[in-house]
Amino acid sequence: DAGITQSPRHKVTETGTPVTLRCHQTENHRYMYWYRQDPGHGLRLIHYSYGVKDTDKGEVSDGYSVSRSKTEDFLLTLESATSSQTSVYFCATAFGGETQYFGPGTRLLVL
Amino acid sequence: DQQVKQNSPSLSVQEGRISILNCDYTNSMFDYFLWYKKYPAEGPTFLISISSIKDKNEDGRFTVFLNKSAKHLSLHIVPSQPGDSAVYFCAGPQGGKLIFGQGTELSVKP
Repeated sequence: DAGITQSPRHKVTETGTPVTLRCHQTENHRYMYWYRQDPGHGLRLIHYSYGVKDTDKGEVSDGYSVSRSKTEDFLLTLESATSSQTSVYFCATAFGGETQYFGPGTRLLVL
Repeated sequence: DQQVKQNSPSLSVQEGRISILNCDYTNSMFDYFLWYKKYPAEGPTFLISISSIKDKNEDGRFTVFLNKSAKHLSLHIVPSQPGDSAVYFCAGPQGGKLIFGQGTELSVKP
C-alpha cells in the first residue's frame, strides 16, 4: 500500500466555519485525489491534482478548494462548512493516474 | 450522466457459494476497469482489474468478466467467505481520474 495518511480522522464542526483536511503521502505519487463517500452515491470526486500546484475540479467541487504546494501534501478546504458537507472524505494517490491507493478516510460532521 | 453503474445496492450470499457483482458502463472508451473493495471505517483497496482487450481476468477466488458488446462487467467470487463481506466498487479510467459506480454491499452469511 502507498503510505497515505489523512488528518484529522474525525472532526465535528459548526455550520459556517472553515475546515481543512490534510492528505500526506510518502510514495512520491504524481496524482492525488479527494473524494467524498455518501450512501447511494458511491465515491464522488471533489478535486484532483496532477502535480505540484496543478489542480482541477471533479464532479462535486462546489464549496471546496484544494492546494498542493508539495508533492506529498494535498489539502482540502471547506470554505464555509454546511450540513450537506457532512460525509466521509477519502484521499487517494496514483503514480500515473491509473490504479489509485486510498487513505483511511476522515469522518466530518457539520452541525 | 452516470458512466459507470452498479444497479444492485446489496447482495446476500451463503458462505461457500458464488457471489456475482455486476457493473454496467456507457463509455466505450474505457481502456480498462478496476474493482475496489471497502470495509467499514477503512479506505477502498484495489482488488482486481481487467484490460478492455480481454474478456476475463482471474486472481485466486476472484474473476472479472468483461462483455464489451453488452458494456457489462461482473466480479465473481468463488467460494465466498464471510471475510468477503464489504462494499465493492467498479471503476473506469478517464483522463487521469477514475469514474466509480455507486457500490454493491456484499454480505456473506456463515
